[in-house]
Amino acid sequence: GNSVTQMEGPVTLSEEAFLTINCTYTATGYPSLFWYVQYPGEGLQLLLKATKADDKGSNKGFEATYRKETTSFHLEKGSVQVSDSAVYFCALSGSGGSNYKLTFGKGTLLTVNP
Amino acid sequence: EAGVVQSPRYKIIEKKQPVAFWCNPISGHNTLYWYLQNLGQGPELLIRYENEEAVDDSQLPKDRFSAERLKGVDSTLKIQPAELGDSAVYLCASSLGRTGSSTDTQYFGPGTRLTVL
Repeated sequence: GNSVTQMEGPVTLSEEAFLTINCTYTATGYPSLFWYVQYPGEGLQLLLKATKADDKGSNKGFEATYRKETTSFHLEKGSVQVSDSAVYFCALSGSGGSNYKLTFGKGTLLTVNP
Repeated sequence: EAGVVQSPRYKIIEKKQPVAFWCNPISGHNTLYWYLQNLGQGPELLIRYENEEAVDDSQLPKDRFSAERLKGVDSTLKIQPAELGDSAVYLCASSLGRTGSSTDTQYFGPGTRLTVL
């Protein structure tokens, strides 16, 4: 079945540091890939997504590239801010008729200190 | 535009008691999902509705869990009786419902945190 493995946290960075959160996946077919973010006390919000190989999703300074050859979708940001402190989830949706079904990683807690 | 609304936000009950969670999806969204999120884990799908029809309930423990979506809008998830292991966050999400479309983004509510004592 489908699965997502992401970098275990917690990750603690200073403001303006470079961020990478690794994510690899196992899936049949051609899944879509997502990063969701969960701020304290809030629901999950879609941060970015990519629907086919070599696509790059980007939003709010975050980027991730769909790498089919390495089955990866690593999240990066060049300069993090305190407001980026949250839990980040990598996820995939199946292809074809099951593309609604999201499979999530365990989440990575990011704390950014001033 | 209002997001997905869930209530209550927190619930504490004793084991063997019943509990219910309510969800109001984004207006116009035909598809509604209930997820279970255990501590330190990602969400796992319990049930998916297309309008008022439960089209995927394969992960719902039917001996104690039930759900309904009358009139294809609001939904209620119930546990009866609750067990200690049910302590978790219950998330509701909704989407437009374009089956087969990779752009059918799911929007999540804030969740209900259940504690069973």
